Amino acid sequence: DTGVSQDPRHKITKRGQNVTFRCDPISEHNRLYWYRQTLGQGPEFLTYFQNEAQLEKSRLLSDRFSAERPKGSFSTLEIQRTEQGDSAMYLCASSFEGSGIYNEQFFGPGTRLTVL
Amino acid sequence: EDQVTQSPEALRLQEGESSSLNCSYTVSGLRGLFWYRQDPGKGPEFLFTLYSAGEEKEKERLKATLTKKESFLHITAPKPEDSATYLCAVQAKRWGGSEKLVFGKGTKLTVNP
Repeated sequence: DTGVSQDPRHKITKRGQNVTFRCDPISEHNRLYWYRQTLGQGPEFLTYFQNEAQLEKSRLLSDRFSAERPKGSFSTLEIQRTEQGDSAMYLCASSFEGSGIYNEQFFGPGTRLTVL
Repeated sequence: EDQVTQSPEALRLQEGESSSLNCSYTVSGLRGLFWYRQDPGKGPEFLFTLYSAGEEKEKERLKATLTKKESFLHITAPKPEDSATYLCAVQAKRWGGSEKLVFGKGTKLTVNP
């Protein structure tokens, strides 16, 4: 399967702990996105990378959140000092930006975070 | 601020009963409108991209259309396997570019056999 993969699929943590999620995009895709989705809502944009450069961040991405894509391939999203309000599905998507061609964002299965 | 409103929130159909889902949007300049399907506990699955008013795209029992203010997802003779939440998203034209998608809350479709 060559789709977007995310790990872990589920994470339960206690308030105040740090968590890290990983996303592996579709291999030829140079753009990678993070979204967050809570129950009954659509996904909300957090941040995106083109290759290793983080080009856009949402106001939702507080200073407790940090994302990296060190080699332009996989990405990690870390949440420090988790709060109960961080409980959500964290979705990763990827796309390929080619000259003159607009490409859609393809999503992974998500990581479900529960903060107790 | 870009906004997407989907209606109805939930829709129950009998197998074979055709209907339409609505997506109304407000955006400064539309770069693209996207439809996704999402099954419970899974990530959204890409269905269609529409770029300009008057455009239509079809895939099996689904047909998406676009006007300057809204998009419709028409479902013809639905089957139980079409049951899912359908999400609409817009991408706006921005100086310097913005790649984010702004999503609506979705329409939860249930098709009964």
